[in-house]
Amino acid sequence: DAGVIQSPRHEVTEMGQEVTLRCKPISGHNSLFWYRQTMMRGLELLIYFNNNVPIDDSGMPEDRFSAKMPNASFSTLKIQPSEPRDSAVYFCASSLYIGQGSQETQYFGPGTRLLVL
Amino acid sequence: LAKTTQPISMDSYEGQEVNITCSHNNIATNDYITWYQQFPSQGPRFIIQGYKTKVTNEVASLFIPADRKSSTLSLPRVSLSDTAVYYCLHHNAGNMLTFGGGTRLMVKP
Repeated sequence: DAGVIQSPRHEVTEMGQEVTLRCKPISGHNSLFWYRQTMMRGLELLIYFNNNVPIDDSGMPEDRFSAKMPNASFSTLKIQPSEPRDSAVYFCASSLYIGQGSQETQYFGPGTRLLVL
Repeated sequence: LAKTTQPISMDSYEGQEVNITCSHNNIATNDYITWYQQFPSQGPRFIIQGYKTKVTNEVASLFIPADRKSSTLSLPRVSLSDTAVYYCLHHNAGNMLTFGGGTRLMVKP
């Protein structure tokens, strides 16, 4: 299995531009998570999907951030317009959710390092 | 929100056993305890997960006392490549993972 795939691995853009990050979860997984990691705030959960439906987006910073999951094998995180404070590493993770009270392991992708100038 | 407390950093030497203890006083009945490892420029990687007593795999052991308010990750005979940040979490399947600051382990030669 190729694991969770993210693209691009690195992105440099100018303030005000639109940024789209992409994620392909592990085949067969039904949950997908987007995280952001910075030195100041550590690893934060932004949003997660179960069976392609957003379950909790309370971690999304503001309206400039949006995430979609049109099918089980693809998700995007979009920032429009981007700002310098959005600079961070964005991770996508996927898991197989069986039910409450069961074990669950999240598998993380390599991340996208975003720099907004 | 699920919250854990663990040391900010630890130092060790190659070949030693390292034990990292985590406190999770508000763990819920259905929560599992999970440890992740993160190397620089990589995503967190699952190490081990358990519910109670002891769990062992090829990488580590996890000790959980009866009250489940703490857990200890044990890394046998660490090497330089074990230098990483180790995160302790407790969660129920389908719920959000809340990562704390983690423990930065430095293994010295």
